[in-house]
Amino acid sequence: EIVMTQSPATLSVSPGQRATLSCRASQSVNSDLAWYQQKPGQAPSLLIYGASTRATGIPARFSASGSGTEFTLTISSLQSEDLALYYCQQYDNWPPTFGQGTRLEIK
Amino acid sequence: EVQLLDSGGGLVQPGGSLRLSCTASGFSFSTYAMSWVRQAPGKGLERVAGISASGDNTFHAASVRGRFTISRDNSKNTLYLQMNSLGAEDTAVYYCAKPRIAGVVAPFDFWGQGTLVTVSS
Repeated sequence: EIVMTQSPATLSVSPGQRATLSCRASQSVNSDLAWYQQKPGQAPSLLIYGASTRATGIPARFSASGSGTEFTLTISSLQSEDLALYYCQQYDNWPPTFGQGTRLEIK
Repeated sequence: EVQLLDSGGGLVQPGGSLRLSCTASGFSFSTYAMSWVRQAPGKGLERVAGISASGDNTFHAASVRGRFTISRDNSKNTLYLQMNSLGAEDTAVYYCAKPRIAGVVAPFDFWGQGTLVTVSS
């Protein structure tokens, strides 16, 4: 199965600054890559699918890019409510697999 | 409005069994494959089981194969996870999850609220 590796494990960013999260696949997943946000005490929620398409209701400050094996999630101007765990998931190859997550902290 | 209501979790002794349920509403349940995803305390997400829309095809992760069984009752809009021979490593919050698109492998656009399973003596 495809192994998804996220970096960094923890990211600390000041409000209003940019946050950049990375996700790498052990082999190409084309653009079949999703990002999820999990706020404390909540279930995960879909942020991005198709590597770069925002899910319904997701603010424009969230953007994502990449294809193949390298992917990036960017939060352009960090808000306090963006404190969360962020996971990537590939669904190109069976079985779909998740990365281990990046914890985003607010400085 | 799509809703997934997870239930059935609780405290169980090692070697015991539990059956989780996920009651769905707000979408055509019988046309979507469904999955169970778990999250151990302080850990990441693990998809433990999946089932096709009809129920004819199932997937179980190696970590639970032979002990857990996913099933569904489309007449009741309900997804199940029968968990047997539970061990401490199965302690986790269990979520049911719906894919964004019916009929294909797709990311999960709706999740249940989760139900906590604690395996301890």
